[in-house]
Amino acid sequence: EAQVTQNPRYLITVTGKKLTVTCSQNMNHEYMSWYRQDPGLGLRQIYYSMNVEVTDKGDVPEGYKVSRKEKRNFPLILESPSPNQTSLYFCASSLVGSYEQYFGPGTRLTVT
Amino acid sequence: AQSVTQLDSQVPVFEEAPVELRCNYSSSVSVYLFWYVQYPNQGLQLLLKYLSGSTLVKGINGFEAEFNKSQTSFHLRKPSVHISDTAEYFCAAAYSSASKIIFGSGTRLSIRP
Repeated sequence: EAQVTQNPRYLITVTGKKLTVTCSQNMNHEYMSWYRQDPGLGLRQIYYSMNVEVTDKGDVPEGYKVSRKEKRNFPLILESPSPNQTSLYFCASSLVGSYEQYFGPGTRLTVT
Repeated sequence: AQSVTQLDSQVPVFEEAPVELRCNYSSSVSVYLFWYVQYPNQGLQLLLKYLSGSTLVKGINGFEAEFNKSQTSFHLRKPSVHISDTAEYFCAAAYSSASKIIFGSGTRLSIRP
């Protein structure tokens, strides 16, 4: 089954404790992206990647890092999480040029 | 700057009534438009898309949208809604000059029996 998976689905952590949210897709998509969803703000793009070893900032990259060492994986790293990063995070993937994105189920992160 | 505006944050409607969710995008020579639906506690699912060709686009679950270039709009419509359509709907635009999709702030559709 074609899908985008994210882990963990729920995470509660404390300020400053490094964490990684994993994202994996099995559709051989070149393009992958991370979004955060906050009430009233819709989805805002954090980082995206056009292919392996190619990443770029989205609209809200501060406080986040990503890497793309393999085509199928695109982890999101929070080196020092802060409470304002409490949000619902989505990973998505697509073929380059198609713009039709497939979304993961989301990761709800709470930073206290 | 490129942007997508959803004019209504919430739309209440009675079951079996028609509904229109409004979306406007910033103009560009080349733009692709999408509507996504998010059911409670789920990820986003593509409803329909406009890439080129016919301006009336039909999607899943009886939804359709019309691309209007002169008004830079891409409104979503359904002639008769069902309780199961209760969800949040997001309009999105992809500009060929950029390698990303821009989402609107979402419209929460609530269906009253």
